[in-house]
Amino acid sequence: AQKITQTQPGMFVQEKEAVTLDCTYDTSDQSYGLFWYKQPSSGEMIFLIYQGSYDEQNATEGRYSLNFQKARKSANLVISASQLGDSAMYFCAMREGLGSQGNLIFGKGTKLSVKP
Amino acid sequence: DSGVTQTPKHLITATGQRVTLRCSPRSGDLSVYWYQQSLDQGLQFLIQYYNGEERAKGNILERFSAQQFPDLHSELNLSSLELGDSALYFCASSGAGNTEAFFGQGTRLTVV
Repeated sequence: AQKITQTQPGMFVQEKEAVTLDCTYDTSDQSYGLFWYKQPSSGEMIFLIYQGSYDEQNATEGRYSLNFQKARKSANLVISASQLGDSAMYFCAMREGLGSQGNLIFGKGTKLSVKP
Repeated sequence: DSGVTQTPKHLITATGQRVTLRCSPRSGDLSVYWYQQSLDQGLQFLIQYYNGEERAKGNILERFSAQQFPDLHSELNLSSLELGDSALYFCASSGAGNTEAFFGQGTRLTVV
């Protein structure tokens, strides 16, 4: 069975500092995709970044990067130069298979608070 | 704007009642997913439809049902509502060529 573990219920970071949000996953599939979503207090789910299991390079999207360590089954999100607007819940998710049609399994999330 | 539209945004209803949540996916997306987000259970996958057919089922109660219509919009029906059904219900869609699922704004259901 798939499982996503986010061990940090809450994190604080100083504005302009970098922060790493942890995510480990468990799957017996060789093909899978890993995702990070942001949920601000307004409630919407915003896609941030994607990493496929066969991607050799770590994914990057602006200030977001995904530190993918396949052997350790970890997919940590790194946010560089934190901004006040980064304060939100962050969810790690996984989809088995590399197509776009499978459902996502989510972790319980990490609440990030950015301090001025 | 993700392109996924959910209505209504907020819904307050009494225990025992039945409600219908509606979702319009992004143009061209064939897959629609329903998720429930509650404080104690987190984000739980309920059900997926692909081009009108049920594709996958998650932790969906028997009191809940869904369907996807020929125009690809989807409805989630919740019946015999209980206080514990109070949650944020998300619809998401995905299509060929996309890896991520695009989420709607959610429907916040409060059962009183």
